[in-house]
Amino acid sequence: QVQLQESGPGLVKPSQTLSLTCTVSGGSISSGGYYWSWIRQHPGKGLEWIGYIYYSGSTYYNPSLKSRVTISVDTSKNQFSLKLSSVTAADTAVYYCAREVRLKDYGDSRTWFDPWGQGTLVTVSS
Amino acid sequence: QSVLTQPPSVSAAPGQKVTISCSGSSSNIGNNYVSWYQQLPGTAPKLLIYDNNKRPSGIPDRFSGSKSGTSATLGITGLQTGDEADYYCGTWDSSLSAEVFGGGTKLTVL
Repeated sequence: QVQLQESGPGLVKPSQTLSLTCTVSGGSISSGGYYWSWIRQHPGKGLEWIGYIYYSGSTYYNPSLKSRVTISVDTSKNQFSLKLSSVTAADTAVYYCAREVRLKDYGDSRTWFDPWGQGTLVTVSS
Repeated sequence: QSVLTQPPSVSAAPGQKVTISCSGSSSNIGNNYVSWYQQLPGTAPKLLIYDNNKRPSGIPDRFSGSKSGTSATLGITGLQTGDEADYYCGTWDSSLSAEVFGGGTKLTVL
């Protein structure tokens, strides 16, 4: 079964770039059919979708974060990555990677996330 | 302020039934499918329901989902102490062009 694991620095200084990698095991990103997403959760708060990438490199970002987000994929390593620039304390959160299903049904979007990585806490502080 | 509105908390006794509501609008729930996630304390969210009312393999039929208009509901029967968790609804918002989630509902099994 597919498993995802986030990795990266747990502490980032303000104004710097947050960089995280998600390693996928038990399945190939290149097999297609799925999108690979990043989602974050501020401490004690709800979930915020950041964006996704397809194995081809096609991306889509949450408009609220689009100017600062870059998601990339390395199919040779079966990994995808997140970069969030110009971070502030408001970017302190647990960051999750997840496999996303995206389908259409007569114009209605069918989306869900399964499975999720265990999450990694990133703190923005000097 | 989340796009989808959920009650902050619900509670019920073991063995009882509880429902969790998720209210949205025509740009999200009204015209797209809803998923539900369970987040046990200190863990990552886990898919419970997709396509409004379908359960992934391994999810017991004590969990059910429904949708009507611009609202969705998660139902849990035969409550167990192990069901204590935060529950989130999610869907695509066609106006925001983003996946959106509810603020989460904390379930307490008394």
